[in-house]
Amino acid sequence: EPEVTQTPSHQVTQMGQEVILRCVPISNHLYFYWYRQILGQKVEFLVSFYNNEISEKSEIFDDQFSVERPDGSNFTLKIRSTKLEDSAMYFCASSEMGQGQQYFGPGTRLTVT
Amino acid sequence: GESVGLHLPTLSVQEGDNSIINCAYSNSASDYFIWYKQESGKGPQFIIDIRSNMDKRQGQRVTVLLNKTVKHLSLQIAATQPGDSAVYFCAEKGANNDMRFGAGTRLTVKP
Repeated sequence: EPEVTQTPSHQVTQMGQEVILRCVPISNHLYFYWYRQILGQKVEFLVSFYNNEISEKSEIFDDQFSVERPDGSNFTLKIRSTKLEDSAMYFCASSEMGQGQQYFGPGTRLTVT
Repeated sequence: GESVGLHLPTLSVQEGDNSIINCAYSNSASDYFIWYKQESGKGPQFIIDIRSNMDKRQGQRVTVLLNKTVKHLSLQIAATQPGDSAVYFCAEKGANNDMRFGAGTRLTVKP
């Protein structure tokens, strides 16, 4: 069964550094999403992406965040200057249709020290 | 603001018993809900969904009930197995297709 993949599984970075989290959505899906989950808390929506542009973003997704689909398979989340509070699991998801079921990747654990 | 949340943070059941996990939502305009299961170290996994024009939907060993009058959603798991142990989230689909998750309930199945 096709699945969403994410790399790396764990990223450790120093405060102020830039990180790029990578996702490969399911190949025929057109809608892409990033979520985060701070340890012990609920999953929170960050951004949705369709047709090479952001369709919606939450208040969490401020100027330090950006997303990109650099080629036909990857979908990336960049955090420009990481802060301690950015430490969380980051989940990528994709769906075939805008109203369709979202499939989640296994997540990348980001630790900012 | 409007939100989706859960009544109970933890639930412990005996293997073979039925489990019921509850969720309250506050946005009366919500028309689509999903239950997700999240095992340790993994991403959320779709279990079952329901639209607001229905009040019940059944899957394999799972049933979702929707009570729009009191804005309440529940997930029933029949004959709970050890493999059902996980955190269960209800989620509401927002206007822009984002999923808004509740806090989660941890289900523990005792052998």
